[in-house]
Amino acid sequence: GESVGLHLPTLSVQEGDNSIINCAYSNSASDYFIWYKQESGKGPQFIIDIRSNMDKRQGQRVTVLLNKTVKHLSLQIAATQPGDSAVYFCAEIPARSGNTGKLIFGQGTTLQVKP
Amino acid sequence: EADIYQTPRYLVIGTGKKITLECSQTMGHDKMYWYQQDPGMELHLIHYSYGVNSTEKGDLSSESTVSRIRTEHFPLTLESARPSHTSQYLCASSEYNRGSDTQYFGPGTRLTVL
Repeated sequence: GESVGLHLPTLSVQEGDNSIINCAYSNSASDYFIWYKQESGKGPQFIIDIRSNMDKRQGQRVTVLLNKTVKHLSLQIAATQPGDSAVYFCAEIPARSGNTGKLIFGQGTTLQVKP
Repeated sequence: EADIYQTPRYLVIGTGKKITLECSQTMGHDKMYWYQQDPGMELHLIHYSYGVNSTEKGDLSSESTVSRIRTEHFPLTLESARPSHTSQYLCASSEYNRGSDTQYFGPGTRLTVL
């Protein structure tokens, strides 16, 4: 079946360092990927997205990389701050989902930022 | 900040009670979704809607029901709550725009059934 998974359940980094959160997906036909950030007690918040015809996309302090050959997605956060502490989810829209917009979520990585 | 709202934020009720979780969005999005999420775990889709009078079951079986009488409103109802329904329920909406179909989430309702 389809699944989207993250390599590590928890990532601990020092404030100011760069963070890299990884995600592996199984559906090679997926054409749209999103990273969400979820803080405690809140709903997921959109961070950045990328389509399958792209390898890289940059936002403010964040970069998403897509490697379709190995079906791997990563989120890079530059100069990690305490406010970045949260659970990060990758999600995909499989190509077969048509116009439904249905997302498949991975399990999430908890990012802990040490002062 | 997404304009999608959920009430109540927290609900503790006894077994057998009927409850309705409210979700409203002011973005005019056609598509709306309900997810169930256990603490620290991934989100599972339980219901979605393409638009008014459209409702579909999601990937995770749920005893809840939904309705979509107005574009902005997508309530979820449990006729008889049980402890196994204890979870966080997240509502989201989206609209296909310029090649993306990003879902925006509400703050969630944390439901505890005693």
